[in-house]
Amino acid sequence: SQELEQSPQSLIVQEGKNLTINCTSSKTLYGLYWYKQKYGEGLIFLMMLQKGGEEKSHEKITAKLDEKKQQSSLHITASQPSHAGIYLCGGAGGTSYGKLTFGQGTILTVHP
Amino acid sequence: GAGVSQSPSNKVTEKGKDVELRCDPISGHTALYWYRQSLGQGLEFLIYFQGNSAPDKSGLPSDRFSAERTGGSVSTLTIQRTQQEDSAVYLCASSLAIFGGRNTEAFFGQGTRLTVV
Repeated sequence: SQELEQSPQSLIVQEGKNLTINCTSSKTLYGLYWYKQKYGEGLIFLMMLQKGGEEKSHEKITAKLDEKKQQSSLHITASQPSHAGIYLCGGAGGTSYGKLTFGQGTILTVHP
Repeated sequence: GAGVSQSPSNKVTEKGKDVELRCDPISGHTALYWYRQSLGQGLEFLIYFQGNSAPDKSGLPSDRFSAERTGGSVSTLTIQRTQQEDSAVYLCASSLAIFGGRNTEAFFGQGTRLTVV
C-alpha cells in the first residue's frame, strides 16, 4: 500500500512565526487531504487537493500539491495558539483505492 | 444527524470480554470507514463499507475483529475476546462516495476511546 511520510514529526514555534509541514507519498495520489486533530477529539477537515500544482488557502493556512501529485505542503502564516494540534495528511488512490491512508501526523505547539 | 455520531465515547472493559462500538454516519453517505488510533500513532485503516458491503477488510488486525453495516446506515465494530493491545481510539468516518476516481471529503466522528484492563 502507499506510504505517506510526514515531516517534521513535531514542531514548536513562537506565536507569530510561519511554519511548514510536509507530506510525501511513494505513489501518485488521486487526492491529498489535510486534517487537524485536537487531543482526544475527532479529525477536522482542512483542505482537499486533487490536481497537480493545485494550491488552496483558508484563513492563514495554505496547502499545495506538486505537479506529480506525490508531495504536499501545509503552510501556516503568523501562527497562533489556536493552530496547535496534530496535523494529518491523508492520501487516496493507487493501491489505496476506496480509502484514505494517513501519515503519522505532525504535532504542532505554538507558544504565546 | 448533523455529523457522524459514535457511541460510547468511552469504554473500559476487562480483558477477554467482547465489545461493540457503534457508528451513525451522516444521512445519505454511502461510504463508511473505521480507523484505529493508538497512543502516539497515526490513523490505522481497519475496514470500509460501500453501502452494506465491505470491499476492503484488509486492515482488520485479527479474526477477533469484525464489522457490519445494515440498511446502508449504522455500522457496528465488534471486538471479541479483547486484549490489552486493542486499547486505542476507534474513529469512524463517512463520505458521499468512496475515495479513488471521485474524491470527496470524509467527515469523522469524535471516536470511542477503548481501554482494556
